[in-house]
Amino acid sequence: EIVMTQSPATLSVSAGERVTLSCRASQSVSNDLAWYQQKPGQAPRLLIYGASTRATGIPARFSGSGSGTEFTLTISSLQSEDFAVYYCQQYNNWPPWTFGQGTKVEVK
Amino acid sequence: EVQLLESGGGLVQPGGSLRLSCTASGFTFNSYSMSWVRQAPGKGLEWVSLISGGGSRTYSADSVKGRFTISRDNSKNTLYLQMNNVRAEDTAIHYCARMLRGVITGSAFDIRGQGTMVTVSS
Repeated sequence: EIVMTQSPATLSVSAGERVTLSCRASQSVSNDLAWYQQKPGQAPRLLIYGASTRATGIPARFSGSGSGTEFTLTISSLQSEDFAVYYCQQYNNWPPWTFGQGTKVEVK
Repeated sequence: EVQLLESGGGLVQPGGSLRLSCTASGFTFNSYSMSWVRQAPGKGLEWVSLISGGGSRTYSADSVKGRFTISRDNSKNTLYLQMNNVRAEDTAIHYCARMLRGVITGSAFDIRGQGTMVTVSS
């Protein structure tokens, strides 16, 4: 089973800041990596797939990069609606499909 | 517009059974593999089960293998999760998701519904 590890667990930031979230896989997942955003009381929403492709309707301030075992989600200028929990997930080696434990982006 | 509507959750006693449903619309249901993903209260996301578009291939997490069964009725555009012998640790919001590319390989989860809550308690 591939273990996904996200860092940091919590990120305290101010609106307008640039934010970088990290995700590491225990073995290579090529670019079969997705990022999801989950706001309180809502279902997770797909942000990025293929490590760097934005899903439909996702603003350009969200970008993903990386391949193999190291991945990054960047929010270029954090908006108030971006405070949420972000999860990475691999779909290269399955079953099981595995998620990271999440990074909470909170107000500083 | 792609829509997934989960139903069937509720309170069930340990050892009991429950069947979840997910009704799909806005896409060609039988062309898409589908999954269940769950989230325990205050916890992260966990993949539960997956079924191919035609229903011939299924996969389940070790945590539910032998207890949960995923199935689908393509004539009704509906996905199911039969949950038997439930445990306290099955308490979670259960989301259904379509595989983004339709096929299993190379597909992320496309979660569209609000989920259905399952609570296992005596």
